[in-house]
Amino acid sequence: DTAVSQTPKYLVTQMGNDKSIKCEQNLGHDTMYWYKQDSKKFLKIMFSYNNKELIINETVPNRFSPKSPDKAHLNLHINSLELGDSAVYFCASSPRGGSQETQYFGPGTRLLVL
Amino acid sequence: GNSVTQMEGPVTLSEEAFLTINCTYTATGYPSLFWYVQYPGEGLQLLLKATKADDKGSNKGFEATYRKETTSFHLEKGSVQVSDSAVYFCALSPTGGYSTLTFGKGTMLLVSP
Repeated sequence: DTAVSQTPKYLVTQMGNDKSIKCEQNLGHDTMYWYKQDSKKFLKIMFSYNNKELIINETVPNRFSPKSPDKAHLNLHINSLELGDSAVYFCASSPRGGSQETQYFGPGTRLLVL
Repeated sequence: GNSVTQMEGPVTLSEEAFLTINCTYTATGYPSLFWYVQYPGEGLQLLLKATKADDKGSNKGFEATYRKETTSFHLEKGSVQVSDSAVYFCALSPTGGYSTLTFGKGTMLLVSP
């Protein structure tokens, strides 16, 4: 019974393609996040949703579009993929999005753009 | 803006050695401080946290104390094991509002038998 799950685990695609990554949490949390981890392991937040509402939108190209159909799911769609999008993308969730809360991370999606 | 600085790795130790990974931060007010660990091929998981000054977080033999005066949250363990080999991330979340974790660059720890 995985708490935060992501699909796919690996994604290899060509430049210019459009792809989606899905995330689901079964923890009953209100808040979900997308992070990008680059090749040097540096992690940076991309987006955060609270009860399906976008609350954090960092400086991310608008080729990246998150969608939250319900509070248990947060998907990430990427248009016109570029080489620099190659990274590991992590989804996370937390109970209500409070600053003291623990965030629970998924296993990551390893995206390679050729 | 907010930032977290942690020591560069890799840190290479023998089993049962003492571990310190330094972490300092820049933030206004009293952020919450976290250590997350990433084992090879996995996502991050919380190791410990502290939400106010002088708090000590501890878990699995690891400890870190929130030092406001030195803006630090150094991670320590008295005796490391091979299974502790992982990447360790220090992070902060500013006071109030929604959580926005700012991470350090991570420190890889390699423990040999």
